[in-house]
Formats: sequence, C-alpha cells, structure tokens
Amino acid sequence: SQTIHQWPATLVQPVGSPLSLECTVEGTSNPNLYWYRQAAGRGLQLLFYSVGIGQISSEVPQNLSASRPQDRQFILSSKKLLLSDSGFYLCAMGTGGYGTQYFGPGTRLTVL
Amino acid sequence: AQTVTQSQPEMSVQEAETVTLSCTYDTSENNYYLFWYKQPPSRQMILVIRQEAYKQQNATENRFSVNFQKAAKSFSLKISDSQLGDTAMYFCALRSNDYKLSFGAGTTVTVRA
Repeated sequence: SQTIHQWPATLVQPVGSPLSLECTVEGTSNPNLYWYRQAAGRGLQLLFYSVGIGQISSEVPQNLSASRPQDRQFILSSKKLLLSDSGFYLCAMGTGGYGTQYFGPGTRLTVL
Repeated sequence: AQTVTQSQPEMSVQEAETVTLSCTYDTSENNYYLFWYKQPPSRQMILVIRQEAYKQQNATENRFSVNFQKAAKSFSLKISDSQLGDTAMYFCALRSNDYKLSFGAGTTVTVRA
C-alpha cells in the first residue's frame, strides 16, 4: 500500500532561520508529488508540484523552494523564514488513472 | 482557471441523521474529476469519495454519496446515518487535466450526540 511520511510533525522556528521539510513516499514509483500550505481554518494552497526527479513547478512566488532529489523524496526549503510562512504544510502524492491525491500527516510550522 | 465554491462554512447535524454539503465549480475542461476530502481534528486529509465527470452515475461509498449535476456544475455530498466520527472539515476539490487540484474553502461539519 502507499504511504506518505512527513517530518518533522511540528516545528517552531525564529524569523530569518532556514527551513527544511521532508516528504517521502512508499509503495509506488514515479508519483506526482505536491506541497500545499493550509492556514488555520482555511483551504489548501498549492505551492509546488513535481512530475519527476529534478522537475519542479512553482505555483506561488515566495521565499520557499522545493526539490526532488530522488523519485520518492520531496523537500520544501527556505533560506530565511518569514512570519507569514507559518501554517500547516501537507505533502501529497498523485497516482493512478484518476490522479487521486493522497496526503501525508502534515507539518505544523510556527514562525516566531 | 478553475474555481470551487463551498457556500456553507458550517453545518450541524444530529447523530444518525443526514446532512448534505453543497459544492459548485467552474471549469472549461470537458474531462475532469471531482473529489470530497475529510479533514478531522488531526488534520490528516482523507479521501472520502471521487467522481469522474464523464460518468452519469453518482458515486457512492458506504454512507457517503454524491449528487453530480454536470450541467449545473454542482457536486454535493450526502452523509447518511451521521456518526460522531464524521465531525470534520470537508473539502470539495476539482482535478484538472494537468493533475492539479483546486480546493474549496471547506465546510465544518459537527455531529451532535
């Protein structure tokens, strides 16, 4: 079965510090991978998606970046965090003919 | 561009009763897919049900069913025999040909004992 791991689960970082969130998937190969951000009580905003190793598309210009160094690994990074980067970050994997997206457990990021 | 609208921010239902969540969407594509996701307090996003736009038959998954009206661009979710574990935020989503999802703002459902 397909499994999505995200870590860390919770993170508190000061403004201006770097960020690295990791997402790994199991049980499938060559999936589409996605990073979303969700503000409290709101919908999901697509940040990045990837259809293969080294292929990254950005949806929202900002101080975040993404990389896909391996087929089943997707990393979200920042060199300097802003207060507005606080939120809940979800990694998703798209697979199958439907392209149904399945989500990881998420990372709660608080920037102080 | 695709848009998904959920006009009900919150809904409350008595346990064992039925509740219907509304969703409307807009897309210029002919072939697309629609989804309902559930996000309980744990914030894990869980797929509830999905529907292909080219299928006229409404999808059903146990106590969850949809009413898909393609001409009206409407995709409502019915939860029958509501249970306490159904308490969650529910999101309607539209998948476009580029495999990206557009989400609605969500509807918070509270099931009362």
